[in-house]
Amino acid sequence: TQLLEQSPQFLSIQEGENLTVYCNSSSVFSSLQWYRQEPGEGPVLLVTVVTGGEVKKLKRLTFQFGDARKDSSLHITAAQPGDTGLYLCAGEARTTDSWGKFQFGAGTQVVVTP
Amino acid sequence: EPEVTQTPSHQVTQMGQEVILRCVPISNHLYFYWYRQILGQKVEFLVSFYNNEISEKSEIFDDQFSVERPDGSNFTLKIRSTKLEDSAMYFCASRGGRGTGELFFGEGSRLTVL
Repeated sequence: TQLLEQSPQFLSIQEGENLTVYCNSSSVFSSLQWYRQEPGEGPVLLVTVVTGGEVKKLKRLTFQFGDARKDSSLHITAAQPGDTGLYLCAGEARTTDSWGKFQFGAGTQVVVTP
Repeated sequence: EPEVTQTPSHQVTQMGQEVILRCVPISNHLYFYWYRQILGQKVEFLVSFYNNEISEKSEIFDDQFSVERPDGSNFTLKIRSTKLEDSAMYFCASRGGRGTGELFFGEGSRLTVL
C-alpha cells in the first residue's frame, strides 16, 4: 500500500494571499490527481499529472509533479473565498494487474477568509 | 457534461439489514470503482471492476460486500448484513480506459447504520 502524506492538514489564509499544499510519498506513481471536495459531496477532479517534472496551470492553480514522481504540490495564487475546500491528492501505482486503484491522502483543509 | 450518478443520496438502515447502492457510470467508460469515506477520514479504495469481474479489492471489501453490473448501465454495491462501522459516504467512480488517467466520481451515497 502506498501512503500519501499531505501537508499541512489545515490552512487558513486571507483573501489575496498565496498558498501551497504538498503531497509526498515514498512510492513512485504512474499518475497523480488532485481533487477538491466540498462537505457532503464527491471529490471533483482538478488535474491529472503523469510525467515527472510536469507543471500544469489551471487559472490561479499551479500543479507540479516531482521529477521522481513521488511527490506533488498545488500552489494557489491570490486565493479567493471560493477556493475554500478540502484538497485531496490521489496517486496511482499502475502495474500489470492494478489499474485505477488510487490511494488518497488525508487532505488539506483550506479556508480563505474575505 | 457526462457524469456519474448515484442513488440513493442518503440511506438509513438497521444493523444487519442488506443495502444496495446504485451507480450509473459515464456511458462509454470501462472501469468502475467503489470508494468509501468515513466521516472525517480519508477516501478509501474498496474495489475495482472491469470486463464484468472484480479487478482488485481492498481488505475492507470482505465477504459482506459484493458488486454487480446487472444490465450494462448500472453498477451496484451490496452490503449483505450492515454493521455500525459501515456508516460512511460511498462513492462510485468510473474511468474511460487504461490509458486515460482521469477518475470521475459521483456525488456519493451516505449510508447510516443504526
